[in-house]
Amino acid sequence: EAGVTQFPSHSVIEKGQTVTLRCDPISGHDNLYWYRRVMGKEIKFLLHFVKESKQDESGMPNNRFLAERTGGTYSTLKVQPAELEDSGVYFCASSQVGHNNSPLHFGNGTRLTVT
Amino acid sequence: AQTVTQSQPEMSVQEAETVTLSCTYDTSESDYYLFWYKQPPSRQMILVIRQEAYKQQNATENRFSVNFQKAAKSFSLKISDSQLGDAAMYFCAYRSEEAGGTSYGKLTFGQGTILTVHP
Repeated sequence: EAGVTQFPSHSVIEKGQTVTLRCDPISGHDNLYWYRRVMGKEIKFLLHFVKESKQDESGMPNNRFLAERTGGTYSTLKVQPAELEDSGVYFCASSQVGHNNSPLHFGNGTRLTVT
Repeated sequence: AQTVTQSQPEMSVQEAETVTLSCTYDTSESDYYLFWYKQPPSRQMILVIRQEAYKQQNATENRFSVNFQKAAKSFSLKISDSQLGDAAMYFCAYRSEEAGGTSYGKLTFGQGTILTVHP
């Protein structure tokens, strides 16, 4: 089966610009998560979708971040306007609903650099 | 809130030798899972091993085993017979079981340990 895929793998933008990250979960996985790792620090939870609904967005840092999952398939995470502190690696993960022991499947991540 | 601490930013090991990666955590909960994830360079993060807090027996997966000390809130990973393919960033992670079924993917991670394997 195809794994979780993320696009782009790298993105370099200037402060104030907008960037949209995309995540395609494994087919059939209704749970979709976004995580972020800022340089040298731990990976932090951003938010959780169940299908198209936001289940938990307690980790979203501020209103410059907007996540969507229209149709319950792929998800996008838009940063607008980007700030220097937004630089880091953004991970997406998916899992099956109703399987509490279903492991998370992670994507390769998108490395975002804001200059 | 729970916290996870990995005090070793980097570790190295000779091929075929054994290495132990440390992880401590802080929680007031009694029911939780602990995980070790591995992220090879430029590749996806994958699950290495997991431990349910209610189980006293330490989890093992082939060459990987854990030393789970619940009272001490310690969860170390031992890699035996290290191989070149074990070189990666290793993350320790915590998941609450008390938050209910909606939070099974909400993990708290440590800072990571970079493992280098020397031939």
